[in-house]
Amino acid sequence: SQQGEEDPQALSIQEGENATMNCSYKTSINNLQWYRQNSGRGLVHLILIRSNEREKHSGRLRVTLDTSKKSSSLLITASRAADTASYFCATATMDSSYKLIFGSGTRLLVRP
Amino acid sequence: EADIYQTPRYLVIGTGKKITLECSQTMGHDKMYWYQQDPGMELHLIHYSYGVNSTEKGDLSSESTVSRIRTEHFPLTLESARPSHTSQYLCASREDWDTEAFFGQGTRLTVV
Repeated sequence: SQQGEEDPQALSIQEGENATMNCSYKTSINNLQWYRQNSGRGLVHLILIRSNEREKHSGRLRVTLDTSKKSSSLLITASRAADTASYFCATATMDSSYKLIFGSGTRLLVRP
Repeated sequence: EADIYQTPRYLVIGTGKKITLECSQTMGHDKMYWYQQDPGMELHLIHYSYGVNSTEKGDLSSESTVSRIRTEHFPLTLESARPSHTSQYLCASREDWDTEAFFGQGTRLTVV
């Protein structure tokens, strides 16, 4: 079974609005990463947050991690039409850190 | 720009054929991964490798096999393709457990 579940499955917002995506996972992790995928192509890494970190920023991206709830969120501020893509969280678990397990993804549509 | 390459990008083959999907990276990464992804759906880990001569099966049962004879090369082979193998196959690599993964552009396989 997949390690991560993402919520919502799909999100449609207006350009300029903020987009928030959530990821929940099942087992203890070493780190959690967020990736973006355009039109079914290869994934591009966005940000990595370690299990001892609570929040990270990168440009318009803000990621939080709550290990007690086994959840993470990705916030994209001031969204643009070019942010339209699928967003996935991925975890490296403590039992086998070399595995990288992806969640089910959130499909984001930013309307111009 | 990620230095990880997959060939071919698209492949249409007949049932029963043997095929090999190629994946090469020039970054010297030890950890490499194969994922299977249906359009718009989640990524499933089917194989991964810690380094040369080490390969492991992922979480999704797959009839494919892999080899890792050289650090830079991680080919995936289907001995006898079936229509159920129709999917996109994504290859990825990373330096270590706490680093980002780089993805190839994928191979879209159709078995007729």
